[in-house]
Amino acid sequence: AQKVTQAQTEISVVEKEDVTLDCVYETRDTTYYLFWYKQPPSGELVFLIRRNSFDEQNEISGRYSWNFQKSTSSFNFTITASQVVDSAVYFCALSEPTAGGTSYGKLTFGQGTILTVHP
Amino acid sequence: NAGVTQTPKFQVLKTGQSMTLQCAQDMNHNSMYWYRQDPGMGLRLIYYSASEGTTDKGEVPNGYNVSRLNKREFSLRLESAAPSQTSVYFCASQYRVPYGYTFGSGTRLTVV
Repeated sequence: AQKVTQAQTEISVVEKEDVTLDCVYETRDTTYYLFWYKQPPSGELVFLIRRNSFDEQNEISGRYSWNFQKSTSSFNFTITASQVVDSAVYFCALSEPTAGGTSYGKLTFGQGTILTVHP
Repeated sequence: NAGVTQTPKFQVLKTGQSMTLQCAQDMNHNSMYWYRQDPGMGLRLIYYSASEGTTDKGEVPNGYNVSRLNKREFSLRLESAAPSQTSVYFCASQYRVPYGYTFGSGTRLTVV
């Protein structure tokens, strides 16, 4: 069965520090998708990134970067020079094909990592 | 603003009462989902609708029913609420697989 583990329950850093959020997944499929979502204190969930299993290139978007390594089944998220506005709960999620391979819509989420950035 | 609208935002029910959580999206998305969020457990899928006219069970469907009324609306019904259904419920829509979800703002439900 698919599983996503975010071992870090809470992380606390001081502004301008770099921080990495870990995500490890388990899957039996060769085709799958990985996601990161952000949940700020307001409560809404915001999509950050999607990566498919065939694309191991790292991705950078401003202060955010993602490192996907199939060899270790990990999809880690790094925030460079963190800011107070980065304080949120971050979720990693995995999408696998449904029975029959017809859909990749359903997500399995990790438990989430609470990131607190202090001024 | 375009997006996913959930109502109500807060609700308190007594054990045994029923209610329907409403969800509507105006982005012409095909797929819609209901998740519940509980502390330390992330989000778990209750039901989903891959397209108008179809619904399927997710990981935790017991005690819930859904209706995909049309392409825009996907409601979640609790027929006889139980304290174990105290949670934050999120509706999400998806243009098509495997794009990212757009989530609603959530419904905080307490069953006493």
